[in-house]
Amino acid sequence: EVQLVESGGGLVKPGGSLRLSCAASGFTFSSYSMNWVRQAPGKGLEWVSSISSSSSYIYYADSVKGRFTISRDNAKNSLYLQMNSLRAEDTAVYYCARDWPSPPIAAAGDYYYYGMDVWGQGTTVTVSS
Amino acid sequence: DIQLTQSPSFLSASVGDRVTITCRASQGISSYLAWYQQKPGKAPKLLIYAASTLQSGVPSRFSGSGSGTEFTLTISSLQPEDFATYYCQQLNSYPRTFGGGTKVEIK
Repeated sequence: EVQLVESGGGLVKPGGSLRLSCAASGFTFSSYSMNWVRQAPGKGLEWVSSISSSSSYIYYADSVKGRFTISRDNAKNSLYLQMNSLRAEDTAVYYCARDWPSPPIAAAGDYYYYGMDVWGQGTTVTVSS
Repeated sequence: DIQLTQSPSFLSASVGDRVTITCRASQGISSYLAWYQQKPGKAPKLLIYAASTLQSGVPSRFSGSGSGTEFTLTISSLQPEDFATYYCQQLNSYPRTFGGGTKVEIK
C-alpha cells in the first residue's frame, strides 16, 4: 500500500524549533518529488515547500523562506521539514504529499507536475506560549 | 505570484443538484490546474488534474474544464458523500498556490 506517515508535530513556544518527518512506503520514494502543505485551523490549504527527487531543486513559500528547510533521505524513504523561528501563524496541520507523475511532464523546455496524488494524515504543530 | 480565486466560497445544495465551482487565475497557467476534495479531519484527495482529467477511481459525475485563467469543477448530480470542501491548485509555477476553497453543504 502506498502510504505517507508524518510525525514530529507538537506544542512549541514562539521562536522555537521543530523537525517534522514523513515516512514513505509502498512506492519508489527516490523517484518522486515531494511537498509539505499546511492548513491553519479553520483555514484553507497553503503550499509550504517542494523538493525534487534528487534534492536538486527546492522551493519555499515566502511565508517560510529563511526559517524552514526541506530535506530528504532517499536511503531512509523519508522527507523532513526543519522549522526554526516558529511563529503563532505557523500553527497548522502539516501534510506531506507526493508530486505526480514521475517523471514530470516535459513541455516547452520545462517540467510540470499534474498534482499531489498521495497525502499523509497530517501532523499538528501548535506555536504558543 | 499567481493568485487563484475560487467562487463561491460557500454553497448550499441538495442531493441530485448540479453544482459548478469556478477557479480564476491571476495569469495564464495553461492547463496546469488540479482540483482536490477535502472532508473534515481528512487529508485532501486529488480529483482532477490537467484541468479536465479525472483521477483514477473518481466517479464520473465529477468533471473539470477550462484553460488559461478560468476553470470550472462540476458535479453533475450531487451525492451525500460529495459534501466537502473543494480546492483548486495551480502547478504552472512556484510558488504553487491553492484557491481559497469552496465548502459544499447540504441544503
